[in-house]
Amino acid sequence: EVQLVESGGGLVQPGGSLRLSCAASGFPFNTYSLYHLNWVRQAPGKGLEWVSFISSSGSTIFYPDSVKGRFTVSRDNAKNSLYLQMHSLIVEDTAVYYCARGIQGGHYGLDVWGQGTAVTVSS
Amino acid sequence: QSVLTQPPSASGTPGQRVTISCSGSSSNIGSYTVNWYQQLPGTAPKLLIYNNNWRPSGVPDRFSGSKSGTSASLAISGVQSEDEADYYCASWDDSLSGWVFGGGTKLTVL
Repeated sequence: EVQLVESGGGLVQPGGSLRLSCAASGFPFNTYSLYHLNWVRQAPGKGLEWVSFISSSGSTIFYPDSVKGRFTVSRDNAKNSLYLQMHSLIVEDTAVYYCARGIQGGHYGLDVWGQGTAVTVSS
Repeated sequence: QSVLTQPPSASGTPGQRVTISCSGSSSNIGSYTVNWYQQLPGTAPKLLIYNNNWRPSGVPDRFSGSKSGTSASLAISGVQSEDEADYYCASWDDSLSGWVFGGGTKLTVL
């Protein structure tokens, strides 16, 4: 069974930094590198907000304006891992952060999600 | 303010048919397929419908999706108590080069 497991969340002061990780398991041999990956967050009591996209090779990366210049997504296909480096955190970044796998072949949807890791930005 | 527009709530009695709408624009739903997610309380979202009307393995066939122009809808035929959850529509957006979501619809089974 394919699984994604996030880690690295916690309490951080405004202006601080945090690095999230997403470890993948259960992918058939050498197929992790075929999938686009995303980070999606959910603030307490709110809806889903897409945070970053990274293509299968890592060569194409997108962010929404809300995090552009502050967040950096990366991946290590040799380690089946995805990362999100977050700098200059603000209170509005408080959320549960999920990593999610894109369906192969196009932007058809996100078919595997992790359980999420909680980030709290507060003084 | 979400890019895609959904009603905040929906309800139905067991066995009823319930529909949830999702409205977008030419840069998202009008150009790309729509997917739907179910989020039970305290859990991660789960893909319910992709490519407008395809169901992943394991999703009951009482869930169906449709799309027309820049709008889409999710239908639940014969809603059950275990379907009480939040439902989100989503689509890729060309202008934003990213995923856009609806604000979510809370389904209550009366």
